[in-house]
Amino acid sequence: GAGVSQSPRYKVAKRGQDVALRCDPISGHVSLFWYQQALGQGPEFLTYFQNEAQLDKSGLPSDRFFAERPEGSVSTLKIQRTQQEDSAVYLCASSSSRKGAKEVFFGQGTRLTVV
Amino acid sequence: DAKTTQPNSMESNEEEPVHLPCNHSTISGTDYIHWYRQLPSQGPEYVIHGLTSNVNNRMASLAIAEDRKSSTLILHRATLRDAAVYYCILLGGSQGNLIFGKGTKLSVKP
Repeated sequence: GAGVSQSPRYKVAKRGQDVALRCDPISGHVSLFWYQQALGQGPEFLTYFQNEAQLDKSGLPSDRFFAERPEGSVSTLKIQRTQQEDSAVYLCASSSSRKGAKEVFFGQGTRLTVV
Repeated sequence: DAKTTQPNSMESNEEEPVHLPCNHSTISGTDYIHWYRQLPSQGPEYVIHGLTSNVNNRMASLAIAEDRKSSTLILHRATLRDAAVYYCILLGGSQGNLIFGKGTKLSVKP
């Protein structure tokens, strides 16, 4: 498809387990964002990539969260030693530019449940 | 980051126009006004954006006040599929991340 693709759509992890969430942005989009959305809340920014460079990781809640985009296309968000408060929908988004004049396209998200 | 203020919820009847307001009194001259919506169990979806002039596209219209301190998203004929949370977001011209508030939850009655 032509949109942002995320996998898996749903993930159940036992507390303490490591998880990896994948994002395939729209082809050619240089900007890639990760957001975390708790139930009933708006999405909260986690981190931003321009091509392979992680330019902003100010929203990552702890050092258990790690994101990479080694070849400037596919990105992976990794959460180590998951905790119950990590349960949320993780959204990936991409854009042809980070400039305000460009729209941002979102994937459908990965719903992570930590039990 | 400049903040926006939106009503928590609004109701509309199907096939009637809907005007969703947004206040952004601290907007800077280079901030674009973006609107996104999020349907249940979906990721946010781009609706429209503008800088100074009113904008129209196939989904909606965006009316921007002359002083740019407020804007209104207009859905010309609401359908049941328009029921969603609508977010008004300011995005800097040179760089920026979408900073989401709580948005307005729009309910559409048949």
